[in-house]
Amino acid sequence: EPEVTQTPSHQVTQMGQEVILRCVPISNHLYFYWYRQILGQKVEFLVSFYNNEISEKSEIFDDQFSVERPDGSNFTLKIRSTKLEDSAMYFCASSAAGTLSNQPQHFGDGTRLSIL
Amino acid sequence: AQSVTQLDSQVPVFEEAPVELRCNYSSSVSVYLFWYVQYPNQGLQLLLKYLSGSTLVKGINGFEAEFNKSQTSFHLRKPSVHISDTAEYFCAVRGAGFQKLVFGTGTRLLVSP
Repeated sequence: EPEVTQTPSHQVTQMGQEVILRCVPISNHLYFYWYRQILGQKVEFLVSFYNNEISEKSEIFDDQFSVERPDGSNFTLKIRSTKLEDSAMYFCASSAAGTLSNQPQHFGDGTRLSIL
Repeated sequence: AQSVTQLDSQVPVFEEAPVELRCNYSSSVSVYLFWYVQYPNQGLQLLLKYLSGSTLVKGINGFEAEFNKSQTSFHLRKPSVHISDTAEYFCAVRGAGFQKLVFGTGTRLLVSP
């Protein structure tokens, strides 16, 4: 079964540094998402991306965050200047084309981001 | 806006016993409902979904859930659990016209012999 893959599985970064988290969505999917889960808290939506632009974002997704689809297969999340509170598990997800809301989202295994 | 409540943070159960994990939601628009499972050190795997039609939906690994619009609930059930069902279970809702999934806080299912 096709999978969403994320790299790296664990990223350790110094506070203030830039970090890029990478995802390869399922190949025929057209909608891409990032979520995060701070330890002990619920999974929170960050952003959705379709047709090379952000289609929805949460209040968490401020100017420090950006997303990009640099080529036909990768989808990235960049945090410009990391803070301690950015430490979390970051999940990438994708869903197929079609009626927007009733297509299930398929998740990757996540990247654990630790900010020191 | 949508919200999801999973009242039970942890549910201990013996192997081969039945289990029900509770989920209630609120929304001002019609919703699509999902249950995801997270095994240790893994991502979120879709267990089942309710989009429309029959209110009883069946998913993978013998799980099923029933959509109850009047009670705004979507409880997950399994008639007989296995040790391998030990995991974190997340209920999620997506409102019609929205793209984001809104998750509950999760319920840890602990199956013991």
